[in-house]
Amino acid sequence: QKEVEQDPGPLSVPEGAIVSLNCTYSNSAFQYFMWYRQYSRKGPELLMYTYSSGNKEDGRFTAQVDKSSKYISLFIRDSQPSDSATYLCAMSGGTTDSWGKLQFGAGTQVVVTP
Amino acid sequence: GAVVSQHPSWVICKSGTSVKIECRSLDFQATTMFWYRQFPKQSLMLMATSNEGSKATYEQGVEKDKFLINHASLTLSTLTVTSAHPEDSSFYICSARLAQSTDTQYFGPGTRLTVL
Repeated sequence: QKEVEQDPGPLSVPEGAIVSLNCTYSNSAFQYFMWYRQYSRKGPELLMYTYSSGNKEDGRFTAQVDKSSKYISLFIRDSQPSDSATYLCAMSGGTTDSWGKLQFGAGTQVVVTP
Repeated sequence: GAVVSQHPSWVICKSGTSVKIECRSLDFQATTMFWYRQFPKQSLMLMATSNEGSKATYEQGVEKDKFLINHASLTLSTLTVTSAHPEDSSFYICSARLAQSTDTQYFGPGTRLTVL
């Protein structure tokens, strides 16, 4: 069983709709949760960074963390064709022993159609 | 801020040659950098952790003699693929962790290596 599970998609939505992405994990030690966006043949770009449980909003993006359920989500409002990309969740335990190693989900491919 | 660059962005080489990839943090100091490889339609696979001034830590199954990592300064880490073979063809991505942060990593644009 992988430490981080993420549906690879593809997830297709019409322009303007809300994109809903999520990951589940098994390691209760994870404390730092991130969402990255990766366009084809490019490096991942950090979108959201959350520590512990709670919600965080940044423009059209909302990240939620529920540590009790070991479940994190990313919502993209008013989706645009330019949001079409692969979205990767990542998390870590935040301990010096782990040297900040990130555990990634498989990535969900999102396609926003005009 | 938090920009990471990689050079070259793509490289094609003959089997048996060595290839060096550079990773630079442009506007911050990074005591720790990470090297990943990514196959098509797959997630990132951590290869090694590069610490400034000390030896890199390799993940299980990654040959340290094949993938040489040097982190000579707080803004530069290099990955050298020695005696490259076609199976080494992949997308190599580095990331850098802010020195005063915990686990926030910023990624470079990646280097596509093709070994003929």
